[in-house]
Amino acid sequence: NAGVMQNPRHLVRRRGQEARLRCSPMKGHSHVYWYRQLPEEGLKFMVYLQKENIIDESGMPKERFSAEFPKEGPSILRIQQVVRGDSAAYFCASSRNQGDMNTEAFFGQGTRLTVV
Amino acid sequence: RKEVEQDPGPFNVPEGATVAFNCTYSNSASQSFFWYRQDCRKEPKLLMSVYSSGNEDGRFTAQLNRASQYISLLIRDSKLSDSATYLCVVNRSGYSTLTFGKGTMLLVSP
Repeated sequence: NAGVMQNPRHLVRRRGQEARLRCSPMKGHSHVYWYRQLPEEGLKFMVYLQKENIIDESGMPKERFSAEFPKEGPSILRIQQVVRGDSAAYFCASSRNQGDMNTEAFFGQGTRLTVV
Repeated sequence: RKEVEQDPGPFNVPEGATVAFNCTYSNSASQSFFWYRQDCRKEPKLLMSVYSSGNEDGRFTAQLNRASQYISLLIRDSKLSDSATYLCVVNRSGYSTLTFGKGTMLLVSP
């Protein structure tokens, strides 16, 4: 049973380009959470999605960031017109049910985005 | 005041030492508490949940003080492999997401 899979592991983008980060949850999990970790900082919640629905996006920046979790395929975190401040590690976690994060969250290995 | 606060460390201890970390949280509605471990440039992994009555898992003991709103983690007989950043994590009732502290770095030396 594969864990949470994220790709790419490393992504380099020039300022102004778009970044697409993908997350495939664990098998049987239909809830996905995205977190961002800036250098020397803790993990910050960004968005919580179920299949085809955004449940909580209170941590998402208002502009340039969007997320989706389609019926088929991985969850995508999309950052348009990237800036240097977007450089960070982006972690995805998944759970089977809502509230399962209260027991254990399974995290992917993260995507390290570097904006040059 | 930050939602979850931790001393960033680093805590430098010799092998075999006992070390304790504290963490304070600001939201009294917090219901679930955890310690996660994060190795350098890796994903965080659950170390243990923290229960009201306190709980132990091998060399690790976690305690919760709701009145003072703090959580502690005690590591006995430190091993080199315990070197990592320890993240204090809380979850509020009715919320499905976790709030992470910045972490406390532990360095265990021979």
